[in-house]
Amino acid sequence: GAVVSQHPSWVICKSGTSVKIECRSLDFQATTMFWYRQFPKQSLMLMATSNEGSKATYEQGVEKDKFLINHASLTLSTLTVTSAHPEDSSFYICSARDRGSGISYNEQFFGPGTRLTVL
Amino acid sequence: GIQVEQSPPDLILQEGANSTLRCNFSDSVNNLQWFHQNPWGQLINLFYIPSGTKQNGRLSATTVATERYSLLYISSSQTTDSGVYFCAVRLNQGGKLIFGQGTELSVKP
Repeated sequence: GAVVSQHPSWVICKSGTSVKIECRSLDFQATTMFWYRQFPKQSLMLMATSNEGSKATYEQGVEKDKFLINHASLTLSTLTVTSAHPEDSSFYICSARDRGSGISYNEQFFGPGTRLTVL
Repeated sequence: GIQVEQSPPDLILQEGANSTLRCNFSDSVNNLQWFHQNPWGQLINLFYIPSGTKQNGRLSATTVATERYSLLYISSSQTTDSGVYFCAVRLNQGGKLIFGQGTELSVKP
């Protein structure tokens, strides 16, 4: 299957600082990438959909000025948590959809996640 | 919006046992995927199965789209099968993947 990488895998930062998380599709082109958030013992909640070359679409209740998303190329999307607070501590997971013509067409693949702790 | 319900929420098995996990969804879907989230948080794709039946080793899945449910079968379970199993659906080609609440499986040696 297709591979999605995420960096960093974990980060600890001080309250008020900004943190950038990178998501890359390694062996396929992803015109659409997704950012999810997961709290302990809960399911994944979609935060935003990121389309290459255009503005991201945010889910209801997600602050677009706090969670900045950039999808500058077909293989890279970034999520920046601005002015982080302890309540932003969570597990952030990116995902990419394979829109090629191969066997994985239309299937969605997930990165390994980034564990953010804000002190 | 579409509702995705998974059952059971928790399951404890002895190694070697078989199990069936269920996913019900409230609307017609374009895509359905099963994932296994391992203890480190990585989601592993198990099946892309909007309809029909697929098998991969000890795992198999069946989706009956007309009746809006999907089943994941795990046979001869192993301790490494432990983790959370998620079902996720998408309504249309360009839509978003909606996750169920998951089934947490624990396989005891």
